[in-house]
Amino acid sequence: EVQLVESGGGLVQPGRSLRLSCAASGFTFDDYAMHWVRQTPGKGLEWVSGISWNSGSIGYADSVKGRFTISRDNAKKSLYLQMNSLRAEDTALYYCAKGYCSSISCTGHDNWGQGTLVTVSS
Amino acid sequence: QSALTQPPSASGSPGQSVTISCTGTSSDVGGYNYVSWYQQHPGKAPKLMIYEVSKRPSGVPDRFSGSKSGNTASLTVSGLQAEDEADYYCSSYGGYNTVVFGGGTKLTVL
Repeated sequence: EVQLVESGGGLVQPGRSLRLSCAASGFTFDDYAMHWVRQTPGKGLEWVSGISWNSGSIGYADSVKGRFTISRDNAKKSLYLQMNSLRAEDTALYYCAKGYCSSISCTGHDNWGQGTLVTVSS
Repeated sequence: QSALTQPPSASGSPGQSVTISCTGTSSDVGGYNYVSWYQQHPGKAPKLMIYEVSKRPSGVPDRFSGSKSGNTASLTVSGLQAEDEADYYCSSYGGYNTVVFGGGTKLTVL
């Protein structure tokens, strides 16, 4: 059974940093692209960032480019999101999502975690 | 990276069919056959219902179907059931290693 477990969320002041982690199990982690998707309470989904199977391709939403960094450690079957210069508008539930193939381009996230809540507030 | 356009709401009676549209541009929906659809019930994580425009993951009922014409993709739910009531989101590859989502459609089963 595929499992994705996010951690690292919490309350943080504007301008500070936070690092999210996603522990994967139940599938061959280094065969698939991985993504971060966020959802503001009561609102829609927003793709944040994606990384290919070997970290050779990485993409970011314009809203986080230059502030967030995605990475993965295939040996540890883990995905990360380093979030710097956080803003109030970054407040959301952050999901880790598995792609159905190795590339970012074949969008279709077939497994999702339960999310970790990030609240940016003073 | 503009969000794809979906109607905010859609509805139908049990047994009927309903179609939800998802409009983008030639840089996303129209440019790639990488359109996906997700179902999300309140308090739950999204569930992949359609990928690559019209393919269904294992376990998704064949009542759910997808299509695309030009810059607009569509999700059709046939034989509506009460449990289909949920929010539905489309997404597309946007080029340059980016993905874009639609704003979501709340489907109500009357």
